[in-house]
Amino acid sequence: EAQVTQNPRYLITVTGKKLTVTCSQNMNHEYMSWYRQDPGLGLRQIYYSMNVEVTDKGDVPEGYKVSRKEKRNFPLILESPSPNQTSLYFCASSLSGYRGAKNIQYFGAGTRLSVL
Amino acid sequence: DQQVKQNSPSLSVQEGRISILNCDYTNSMFDYFLWYKKYPAEGPTFLISISSIKDKNEDGRFTVFLNKSAKHLSLHIVPSQPGDSAVYFCAATQTGANNLFFGTGTRLTVIP
Repeated sequence: EAQVTQNPRYLITVTGKKLTVTCSQNMNHEYMSWYRQDPGLGLRQIYYSMNVEVTDKGDVPEGYKVSRKEKRNFPLILESPSPNQTSLYFCASSLSGYRGAKNIQYFGAGTRLSVL
Repeated sequence: DQQVKQNSPSLSVQEGRISILNCDYTNSMFDYFLWYKKYPAEGPTFLISISSIKDKNEDGRFTVFLNKSAKHLSLHIVPSQPGDSAVYFCAATQTGANNLFFGTGTRLTVIP
């Protein structure tokens, strides 16, 4: 089954404790992206990747890191989480990079993160 | 600074009637627009899109209208069904860009 898988689905952590949210897709997609969803703000793009070893900042990249060492994986790293990063996070992927964000994106089920 | 806005956080419609969800944008460079639907505890799923060279795109019960001069688009669902109850996000991008800007979402409730 074609899917985007995020882990964990729920995470409670404390300020400053490094964490990684994993994202994996099995569709051989080139483009992958991370979003956060907050009340009243909708979905905001954090980082995206056009292909292996090619990443770029989205709208709200501060406090986050990403890497794209393999085509299927695009982990989101919070080196020193803070309470304002408490949010619902979504990973997404799409087929080809050349059409950029016009491509249909397939989303994971989300990771709910609470930073205390 | 929100470049894509959905000013109605929620909308309730009777089953069988038309649902109209609205979206406004501020960036005149946007030339491609998408609608995504999101159910609770799931990720968003693509619904329909429209390019700025068109003013209407239809897919079954779903039609998106684009008014470029007003920087406004709307999603029409006819007839509305209870299974359409979800949060709808509009999103925008421009040719050559790789990032996507979403609106704040509208929660649609279709009452049986």
